Amino acid sequence: DAGITQSPRHKVTETGTPVTLRCHQTENHRYMYWYRQDPGHGLRLIHYSYGVKDTDKGEVSDGYSVSRSKTEDFLLTLESATSSQTSVYFCAISESGGGPYEQYFGPGTRLTVT
Amino acid sequence: AQSVTQLDSQVPVFEEAPVELRCNYSSSVSVYLFWYVQYPNQGLQLLLKYLSGSTLVKGINGFEAEFNKSQTSFHLRKPSVHISDTAEYFCAVTRAARNTPLVFGKGTRLSVIA
Repeated sequence: DAGITQSPRHKVTETGTPVTLRCHQTENHRYMYWYRQDPGHGLRLIHYSYGVKDTDKGEVSDGYSVSRSKTEDFLLTLESATSSQTSVYFCAISESGGGPYEQYFGPGTRLTVT
Repeated sequence: AQSVTQLDSQVPVFEEAPVELRCNYSSSVSVYLFWYVQYPNQGLQLLLKYLSGSTLVKGINGFEAEFNKSQTSFHLRKPSVHISDTAEYFCAVTRAARNTPLVFGKGTRLSVIA
């Protein structure tokens, strides 16, 4: 299994509070991704990173920000959590420099916003 | 941009029967295709991938998929399913030879009935 951990694994928070989710990898992969999974929607990309301090938006980036100051860590921040951000969040990583570009996933973080 | 349509949201099948989970993609450029499996309360695990070459791809747990460029399909098959195959299955696509994020379908929930 790829060395990917996510913390926390479960979190309940109140509307309007800031929340930060952490993804940590031990594979030294260049690319890291944040997805959210919701019933009927599959996985949707929030943000991704193609290197330290290099990030880009995905399909559902509104209300989220990310930071990557080290290769191994990719942080997802909800500046002011809303109930619509209740979801399961997955981090993924992939290699670079020739492929094959499949992504490896972490165990997920279940976030509930009340 | 690439997109994926998984044609069935739920597929019930009896144990030891064959199963096919359907996936169609849309892209104006060459693509790589993937199937992932998600067991309850877990992250996603790669089942198989098509990059190039033989259009019949074999994966883990006895699954295989066939890439059909003319029909833009990548259907997943297994000749005889087990109870343990009960899970959600995701088809994903990305642009070939580029480390761009995967685009996922909405998933197919396979339920194997004893």
